[in-house]
Amino acid sequence: GAGVSQSPSNKVTEKGKDVELRCDPISGHTALYWYRQRLGQGLEFLIYFQGNSAPDKSGLPSDRFSAERTGESVSTLTIQRTQQEDSAVYLCASRLAGGASYEQYFGPGTRLTVT
Amino acid sequence: KNQVEQSPQSLIILEGKNCTLQCNYTVSPFSNLRWYKQDTGRGPVSLTIMTFSENTKSNGRYTATLDADTKQSSLHITASQLSDSASYICVVSVNTGGFKTIFGAGTRLFVKA
Repeated sequence: GAGVSQSPSNKVTEKGKDVELRCDPISGHTALYWYRQRLGQGLEFLIYFQGNSAPDKSGLPSDRFSAERTGESVSTLTIQRTQQEDSAVYLCASRLAGGASYEQYFGPGTRLTVT
Repeated sequence: KNQVEQSPQSLIILEGKNCTLQCNYTVSPFSNLRWYKQDTGRGPVSLTIMTFSENTKSNGRYTATLDADTKQSSLHITASQLSDSASYICVVSVNTGGFKTIFGAGTRLFVKA
């Protein structure tokens, strides 16, 4: 079956512009995560959606970052007024349910470069 | 503070050799520990998962161990192949009934011919 897909795969933008990144989770997966991975670094948690519960936004680094999810389907991560330090790979993952024992399935990521 | 530390940061080995990657964690309350493999330019893929009561889990040439008392885990790779070149990430989940997972920074493995 189809895995997690993300678009675009690469995005180059000028400093100060807004960008929108898209994630299509595996069908039926109620949990969805966004992570940021800077070059050579580990994954940083950004935000978590679980079903109809309020999302956990505790990992968002600033109010320039926001994310939405439509029901249990597609999610978009928006970065406003991009800065060079926003350059990173943004990874999306989905999981079947909210329990910690379930595996997160990752998408290929969107590589964002802010010039 | 919940933390996951991995060592070494990077490792170079010759094809066919074995290697062991380490993971120490200070996560509490512990739920489970996963090892992920992340190929360059791709998202991480789960290799093994272990709960508190499990102390070893194998997946082909990958064998993970867990010592819940010392809060240490290792990933042993046997008879390495060039395709094993990747980052290996240790991830610990917190048993809060919720979602929280703590990621290590990863070990970058290079397998050379």
